[in-house]
Amino acid sequence: AQKITQTQPGMFVQEKEAVTLDCTYDTSDPSYGLFWYKQPSSGEMIFLIYQGSYDQQNATEGRYSLNFQKARKSANLVISASQLGDSAMYFCAMREGTGANSKLTFGKGITLSVRP
Amino acid sequence: DARVTQTPRDKVTEMGQEVTMRCQPILGHNTVFWYRQTMMQGLELLAYFRNRAPLDDSGMPKDRFSAEMPDATLATLKIQPSEPRDSAVYFCASGLKSPQETQYFGPGTRLLVL
Repeated sequence: AQKITQTQPGMFVQEKEAVTLDCTYDTSDPSYGLFWYKQPSSGEMIFLIYQGSYDQQNATEGRYSLNFQKARKSANLVISASQLGDSAMYFCAMREGTGANSKLTFGKGITLSVRP
Repeated sequence: DARVTQTPRDKVTEMGQEVTMRCQPILGHNTVFWYRQTMMQGLELLAYFRNRAPLDDSGMPKDRFSAEMPDATLATLKIQPSEPRDSAVYFCASGLKSPQETQYFGPGTRLLVL
């Protein structure tokens, strides 16, 4: 089974509107972390937001927020007030456990296009 | 503004040649990762180090790939001999061991093996 699933092949959103990018994950470890990264056409991977499995509140970073539904094992990224510069590929990733394990498992990514 | 740096940014080489990619992690970060990104496989972890010691290189083809950290400011990934199927973007990332341990990525090395 895939550990990170991003099934939306491509998303379109009108500038200034909000958009939700879906991510579901699979783990039996009670302790894990979830990350979202943005990859624009220039290629770099930019860290956006983090959610820990024990965090009580949904993470927020500026226009980014994470809709964390632990029972459903979903960690959807919400981008509010979309901008043209938000057009990029978005990756969800998970780190399982604590201690020595630092490995991230990435999903296949979702392409977001923001229309003017 | 602390960043991970990688050199070269682009590399074109012929099959059979040795390729060396270098990475300078963010100062103070004690964990360094090497990833490969292709259209077909997505992002794959090749290897990672903590405090310069290799922790996991299970994602790396051992017969032709090698990864080292000669010192805390330099990580290298070598391919010898290179093959066309090695063509990909290779990312280095660094992080600081902590409950969150966010990984910060370098700009990547785009490798094309002809």
